[in-house]
Amino acid sequence: QKEVEQDPGPLSVPEGAIVSLNCTYSNSAFQYFMWYRQYSRKGPELLMYTYSSGNKEDGRFTAQVDKSSKYISLFIRDSQPSDSATYLCAMSRVGQGAQKLVFGQGTRLTINP
Amino acid sequence: DVKVTQSSRYLVKRTGEKVFLECVQDMDHENMFWYRQDPGLGLRLIYFSYDVKMKEKGDIPEGYSVSREKKERFSLILESASTNQTSMYLCASSVYRVFFGYTFGSGTRLTVV
Repeated sequence: QKEVEQDPGPLSVPEGAIVSLNCTYSNSAFQYFMWYRQYSRKGPELLMYTYSSGNKEDGRFTAQVDKSSKYISLFIRDSQPSDSATYLCAMSRVGQGAQKLVFGQGTRLTINP
Repeated sequence: DVKVTQSSRYLVKRTGEKVFLECVQDMDHENMFWYRQDPGLGLRLIYFSYDVKMKEKGDIPEGYSVSREKKERFSLILESASTNQTSMYLCASSVYRVFFGYTFGSGTRLTVV
């Protein structure tokens, strides 16, 4: 079983829809939770960062962490064609030194005009 | 604009060649990482380094080596390229003391023929 599971999709929704992306994980030691966005032929860029549990909102994006269920989500409101990309969840334990992120497989999202 | 720069976007090499992939960051980050990204497999950690001349194996180090002679530069070496090393290679860096995730380069798409 992988430490982090993410449905690879693809997911296709109309412009303006609310998008929900999810990951589950098995390691209860994870404390850092992130979402990266990766456009085609580009490197991933950090979109949302959360430490421990709770919600975080940044514009049209909301990240949620439910540690009791080992489940994290990313919501995109009023989705735009420019949101079309692959979204990767990533997480890590607390510790010193070189923190190693464990990534989900990524979900390919297409927003249709 | 701070960034991680990978020297080549696209490379085509022949089987058996020795291949060097270069990565430079200008953020004074202590940690640097090399991942490969393949469809259906996600990002897999090859090697990482937490200091100059220090290196540690990731999940898939076989067939690869690394070099970090200066803090800002981390090189990935394919000793004898094989077709199964055709992939997207991503370099990333992060701060040692406080973890805010990785900054990725744009990636090098390597094709071994």
